[in-house]
Amino acid sequence: SYVLTQSPSVSAAPGQTARITCGGNNIGSGSVHWYQQKPGQAPVLVVYDDSDRPSEIPERFSGSNSGNTATLTITRVEAGDEADYFCQVWHSSGDRWVFGGGTRLTVL
Amino acid sequence: QITLKESGPTLVKPTQTLTLTCTVSGSSLSTRGRGLAWLRQPPGKALEWLALIYWNDDKRYSPSLKSRLTITQDTSKNQVVLTVTNIDPADTGTYYCAHTWWRQSAYNWFDPWGQGTLVTVSS
Repeated sequence: SYVLTQSPSVSAAPGQTARITCGGNNIGSGSVHWYQQKPGQAPVLVVYDDSDRPSEIPERFSGSNSGNTATLTITRVEAGDEADYFCQVWHSSGDRWVFGGGTRLTVL
Repeated sequence: QITLKESGPTLVKPTQTLTLTCTVSGSSLSTRGRGLAWLRQPPGKALEWLALIYWNDDKRYSPSLKSRLTITQDTSKNQVVLTVTNIDPADTGTYYCAHTWWRQSAYNWFDPWGQGTLVTVSS
């Protein structure tokens, strides 16, 4: 089965940049989507198709995808960004949509 | 703007069948290209996609759970229903429905999501 690997935790101080990675075999050949999930809430889409943002998501959120790693970058981190972040792809040979294990962003 | 709301039992006994309903507001399930997915999340764990149904009744299932899942839609009620048979404590978690659009590549994303409903499997 196809596995998406995310570091369990990342931390950043307010105003700094946080980078959250999602590793997968040849993940760069497809599209990656990212979700933010705050405690007790449903996931919210923050980046789709590697680097596009829904209109309501701040420009501070951006994404990239190449080779075996996709990255979600959050610039000028704020306390309100503290959440779990999940990556997601379509795995064609497995005929299913797959999520990473999630990364908890802690704002110091 | 489309909104989704899940409903169903909060407690289910092992071996029973779980039936969950997602009610869609703000737009029609019959809209060409529209899809509704079910996903779940065990407490403190990652998200897992379960099933998806498109406006044209095309259905997709997670291969690992396919034998236990059935997804249907009632366009007159704007609802999507998921049934899970032979429920086990490992099925405990929050169940979400989420909206998606059909893409030829299947590079779908899910947006928005319902608030989720917590299902506990215990005798």
